[in-house]
Amino acid sequence: EAGVAQSPRYKIIEKRQSVAFWCNPISGHATLYWYQQILGQGPKLLIQFQNNGVVDDSQLPKDRFSAERLKGVDSTLKIQPAKLEDSAVYLCASSLTSGAPYEQYFGPGTRLTVT
Amino acid sequence: AQSVTQLDSQVPVFEEAPVELRCNYSSSVSVYLFWYVQYPNQGLQLLLKYLSGSTLVKGINGFEAEFNKSQTSFHLRKPSVHISDTAEYFCAVSDRARDDKIIFGKGTRLHILP
Repeated sequence: EAGVAQSPRYKIIEKRQSVAFWCNPISGHATLYWYQQILGQGPKLLIQFQNNGVVDDSQLPKDRFSAERLKGVDSTLKIQPAKLEDSAVYLCASSLTSGAPYEQYFGPGTRLTVT
Repeated sequence: AQSVTQLDSQVPVFEEAPVELRCNYSSSVSVYLFWYVQYPNQGLQLLLKYLSGSTLVKGINGFEAEFNKSQTSFHLRKPSVHISDTAEYFCAVSDRARDDKIIFGKGTRLHILP
């Protein structure tokens, strides 16, 4: 089966610009996650969707970050305006359902550099 | 809130030697525990998980981990490493009693020396 797809793989922008990332989860997976992985740290959950509804966005900086999952399939994560500290790898993951035990499948990530 | 401590940021080990990557979590309440591997420029891949039952968990690529509730540890081991094991390894925990959010440690970079 096809894995989690993400694009673009790399993005370089200047601070105060906007950027968007796209994720297509594994077919049939109801739950979708966006993580931020800063260099030297583990992934940190930004937002979790169950179908097209938000389950947890407690760590999403809502003044600049937004995410949507229209039709409960693919998702976009947007940053507007970007700050230097947003430089990180943005990982998308999906799982068959929410509620442990479960396994999350990760995409390759988008490496964002803000200059 | 749960937290995960990976005691070593980098571990160098010679090829074919054994390795142990250490992981401790913050609470002794019932938890699910995971080890993920991240190869260069790739996403994370699940190595193994502890949900319940036997405290010794076997995973892919010859890795295993032992859940020790009294020491709140979940150390990862492999008896003989290969150059292809070069990667970053993340320990993670999920609190059974709460939601299914996974908390990741900061990672341990495994360097295999020829």
